[in-house]
Amino acid sequence: ETGVTQSPTHLIKTRGQQVTLRCSSQSGHNTVSWYQQALGQGPQFIFQYYREEENGRGNFPPRFSGLQFPNYSSELNVNALELDDSALYLCASSRTGVNTEAFFGQGTRLTVV
Amino acid sequence: QQPVQSPQAVILREGEDAVINCSSSKALYSVHWYRQKHGEAPVFLMILLKGGEQKGHDKISASFNEKKQQSSLYLTASQLSYSGTYFCGTEIGTGNNRKLIWGLGTSLAVNP
Repeated sequence: ETGVTQSPTHLIKTRGQQVTLRCSSQSGHNTVSWYQQALGQGPQFIFQYYREEENGRGNFPPRFSGLQFPNYSSELNVNALELDDSALYLCASSRTGVNTEAFFGQGTRLTVV
Repeated sequence: QQPVQSPQAVILREGEDAVINCSSSKALYSVHWYRQKHGEAPVFLMILLKGGEQKGHDKISASFNEKKQQSSLYLTASQLSYSGTYFCGTEIGTGNNRKLIWGLGTSLAVNP
């Protein structure tokens, strides 16, 4: 186990609803990245938080937003859910920056119906 | 910007070798390799930060050819536990706005 925990593990939501996914980072890590992984695809970078501020964002619309808290845990919020948002959402924590080993949580499987 | 991995899939018998390639149309500043087993989170294998760098542990190693903008992952004498999908990732952006972009993955199956 990596020490990165995500909740919930599975979630079913209706189109148009809002969802919040949570991630607790590994001890000593101040950077959290969020990824969306569709079935059979590689992870797609959503955004990264460093010391409570967003410091990198992929090609995702503004309805994908996030927060990082003083203890470096993080939330991913998605508003106005669409069917295509169905995917595995992974968070990864690391020490400062990108060029360090990232530890992934087990992910949250989101299904939008 | 997304790195391209090849092959898409590999099937091996236990003990055989395999090479997975990762290339980019843009300059590569670093290459990350991860393995993901079905239903599990990706697990870090290694990062290569400099052109010409080679790393390895156990029987998995990798090289980084900065000039050719590519990296290769070498799996020697494969074991059943090597089965999974291998992803390479490359860093883009600068300063505090850097992010990791992943390839589509190479599926590796090692059979007895």
